[in-house]
Amino acid sequence: KQEVTQIPAALSVPEGENLVLNCSFTDSAIYNLQWFRQDPGKGLTSLLLIQSSQREQTSGRLNASLDKSSGRSTLYIAASQPGDSATYLCAVTAGNTPLVFGKGTRLSVIA
Amino acid sequence: DAEITQSPRHKITETGRQVTLACHQTWNHNNMFWYRQDLGHGLRLIHYSYGVQDTNKGEVSDGYSVSRSNTEDLPLTLESAASSQTSVYFCASTLHSYRSSTNQPQHFGDGTRLSIL
Repeated sequence: KQEVTQIPAALSVPEGENLVLNCSFTDSAIYNLQWFRQDPGKGLTSLLLIQSSQREQTSGRLNASLDKSSGRSTLYIAASQPGDSATYLCAVTAGNTPLVFGKGTRLSVIA
Repeated sequence: DAEITQSPRHKITETGRQVTLACHQTWNHNNMFWYRQDLGHGLRLIHYSYGVQDTNKGEVSDGYSVSRSNTEDLPLTLESAASSQTSVYFCASTLHSYRSSTNQPQHFGDGTRLSIL
């Protein structure tokens, strides 16, 4: 059974810092990995999707990497801003199967 | 713009009552999912559908049912509400390409906060 772990569970950083969020999964037979953002009281917003054949994806200040063989992904946020404060979740799927989610990392960026 | 909407946004009901949560998407996605989100458990899959007339059980399906009569809607029914079903419920959809076995990003609704007293 696929399990997804995110470390740390919570993180607080001063504005302007670069930071890395970690995600690990137990079964490397995945088709893709997604990073989501969730604001309080809201649904999830997809940030980046990495297909299993890709090593990384970038969107603005966000960069996600995937090392399928070691079962790891990282989400790098450059020059963090208070507006980046949210919970970040990663999820994996093995093709046309439902996503399996980690429990998320709650990020606070302090001005 | 295409979207996915859930209704109601908030609901309070009593134990034993039947409750139906609505989910409607205009993305024309074939796949739709229902999750519940609880502190300490993260997102857990309740039921999902890969197309019209298709439904499948997820990790925590006991006490819930779904039906898919068209592409746009996947209502979630709690047959006899229990206090343990107090939670925030999220509906999601995605388009799966069977030819390439790749997924598009999954889109989520804003959730329904359900309280069962």
